[in-house]
Amino acid sequence: DVKVTQSSRYLVKRTGEKVFLECVQDMDHENMFWYRQDPGLGLRLIYFSYDVKMKEKGDIPEGYSVSREKKERFSLILESASTNQTSMYLCASSDGGSTENEQFFGPGTRLTVL
Amino acid sequence: QKEVEQNSGPLSVPEGAIASLNCTYSDRVSQSFFWYRQYSGKSPELIMSIYSNGDKEDGRFTAQLNKASQYVSLLIRDSQPSDSATYLCAVRVRGNNRLAFGKGNQVVVIP
Repeated sequence: DVKVTQSSRYLVKRTGEKVFLECVQDMDHENMFWYRQDPGLGLRLIYFSYDVKMKEKGDIPEGYSVSREKKERFSLILESASTNQTSMYLCASSDGGSTENEQFFGPGTRLTVL
Repeated sequence: QKEVEQNSGPLSVPEGAIASLNCTYSDRVSQSFFWYRQYSGKSPELIMSIYSNGDKEDGRFTAQLNKASQYVSLLIRDSQPSDSATYLCAVRVRGNNRLAFGKGNQVVVIP
């Protein structure tokens, strides 16, 4: 089974803090994704990556950056957290060699910025 | 037009009945379609994928795809209280590995 893990289930940070969210997958997937999910807005793609050291902006990249130094790990960085970044953050991965490209999600990190 | 639309409001069904969910998509050349189940406070879980026109059955779940009409549906037979969740429709975006997600439909199974 594909396993995607995220470093924290719940996180509380203060406005202006730098926040790191870590995601690790154990299935050698090329593709990794960061989403945020808010009531009424659905899943929104922040950034994604097709390969090590490669990143592409999703639909809402402002206020975020990412890092992918190793294939299995994809980090989301909030350079200066703001209250409007309070949300559920979901990491996903998929097999780049697969034509179907199903995405598998981690358990999520619920971030609260005070 | 949004890439993936799920327009129905919350769906309440009695236990044992069939729950029917619909999803339409805008890109005619989309090839891969997925249904995810998401329990409250949890992450989405892939429950069905479908790539060809017609029906695909897996246990109590049936996915139906009609590419000509650009819709995909999910049927849940013999609905159980454990099926109470939000169901997300997802479509692979042409030309890359992204998925476009609908906003989801909430299903409530009433015992």
